[in-house]
Amino acid sequence: NAGVTQTPKFQVLKTGQSMTLQCAQDMNHNSMYWYRQDPGMGLRLIYYSASEGTTDKGEVPNGYNVSRLNKREFSLRLESAAPSQTSVYFCASSDLALGDSPLHFGNGTRLTVT
Amino acid sequence: GESVGLHLPTLSVQEGDNSIINCAYSNSASDYFIWYKQESGKGPQFIIDIRSNMDKRQGQRVTVLLNKTVKHLSLQIAATQPGDSAVYFCAETLPYTGGFKTIFGAGTRLFVKA
Repeated sequence: NAGVTQTPKFQVLKTGQSMTLQCAQDMNHNSMYWYRQDPGMGLRLIYYSASEGTTDKGEVPNGYNVSRLNKREFSLRLESAAPSQTSVYFCASSDLALGDSPLHFGNGTRLTVT
Repeated sequence: GESVGLHLPTLSVQEGDNSIINCAYSNSASDYFIWYKQESGKGPQFIIDIRSNMDKRQGQRVTVLLNKTVKHLSLQIAATQPGDSAVYFCAETLPYTGGFKTIFGAGTRLFVKA
C-alpha cells in the first residue's frame, strides 16, 4: 500500500521556468492538500481540494495553480517560478469531510529556484 | 495567527526519560487536534489525535493532553528512545470553506541523548 506518492523528489528550476508537481493517493480519500515547508516554520497550506471537482485557496496560494484530475490525483503547478518558491512541497490526503481524520503525507518534493 | 521563526524550539532529553512537548493553538473553533512526527527527509507522520470533547488520550508510550480553557496541547512521550528524535508538530482542525482545514504549529525539535 503506497499511501501518498509525490514526484519528482528533487527539482532545480531557473527563475521564470514552469513545472508541475504530481501527487497520487491510493487510500480512496476525498480530500487532498498541498503544503509548503520552509526552514524553521510549520507547514503552510497552499491549496486544497475537499472533494473531486472542487479546489480552494489556502493561506499562501499566490504563484500556484492546482488541478484535481480525479479522486486519486492532485497536481500543483508553478507557472513562472521565483526564488521565493524554493521550499519543500508536501501533498497530503484525508477523509476530512467530517473534520476528524488525520492527514496522510507524501515524502515531499524539494524544489530549488535559482 | 501563526508563529514565525527561523529556529525551532529544541528539547533535549536523556534516553529513558519522559519528554513533554507543548503547543499553544489559536482558534477557539478548532475541535480536532493532532500530533505529527517528522523525521529528516520525510513527510509528517500521524502519532495521536484528540477531539475537543476529551482532555486526555493515551496511545502506546504517548499521551496527549488538551486544555481548552487556555488553548494548550501537550504531547508526553514515555521512556524516550533514540528513534523518537524528530521534529514534532501540533495541528488544529477547524471548519473552513467547503470543508475543514488543518493549521500546523511551527514545530519542536526533540533530541534524544543516548
